[in-house]
Amino acid sequence: EDQVTQSPEALRLQEGESSSLNCSYTVSGLRGLFWYRQDPGKGPEFLFTLYSAGEEKEKERLKATLTKKESFLHITAPKPEDSATYLCAVRRIGGSYIPTFGRGTSLIVHP
Amino acid sequence: EPEVTQTPSHQVTQMGQEVILRCVPISNHLYFYWYRQILGQKVEFLVSFYNNEISEKSEIFDDQFSVERPDGSNFTLKIRSTKLEDSAMYFCASTKESPSTDTQYFGPGTRLTVL
Repeated sequence: EDQVTQSPEALRLQEGESSSLNCSYTVSGLRGLFWYRQDPGKGPEFLFTLYSAGEEKEKERLKATLTKKESFLHITAPKPEDSATYLCAVRRIGGSYIPTFGRGTSLIVHP
Repeated sequence: EPEVTQTPSHQVTQMGQEVILRCVPISNHLYFYWYRQILGQKVEFLVSFYNNEISEKSEIFDDQFSVERPDGSNFTLKIRSTKLEDSAMYFCASTKESPSTDTQYFGPGTRLTVL
């Protein structure tokens, strides 16, 4: 069974304090790893898709990286508007194409 | 930028009542999905739909649930007889062509409260 574990569950940062969120996964062949941002009471908003180890993608203050066992979402000099829950999901090769989601990391950035 | 829309944003119902949640997927997308998220829990897959039929469903999607694409734009989730444990956020999502490679884009969700 595919497993996605995100850590930490919650993270509080001061504005400008860079950090990383972790997504560890177990899947029998990775087709894609997805990062989403979810604001309270809203739907997941797509951020990145990573397909192979070594791949990196960036968007503003966010940078996602991928290894064979985990992905990191690096947040550089975060701002209060970056506060949200960040979800990781994996899709495997073969069988169901439905992504498996992790529980998310709740990020709060204090001004 | 095209987006998935959902109505209503919040639905309150009595236990045992039927509810219909509505979604308008992105217009050129072919695959549609329903997910739910119980407060504080992770996003859970319910059902996927393609070419007017269910392509995959989870064990959560039992006989109380049904989906329909009644016209060229709407995609609905019906819960026949709601239970307290059906209270959750329900998200619709869609992908453009290939469900195995394309990104799923989510709507804003419907908060269902069953009293």
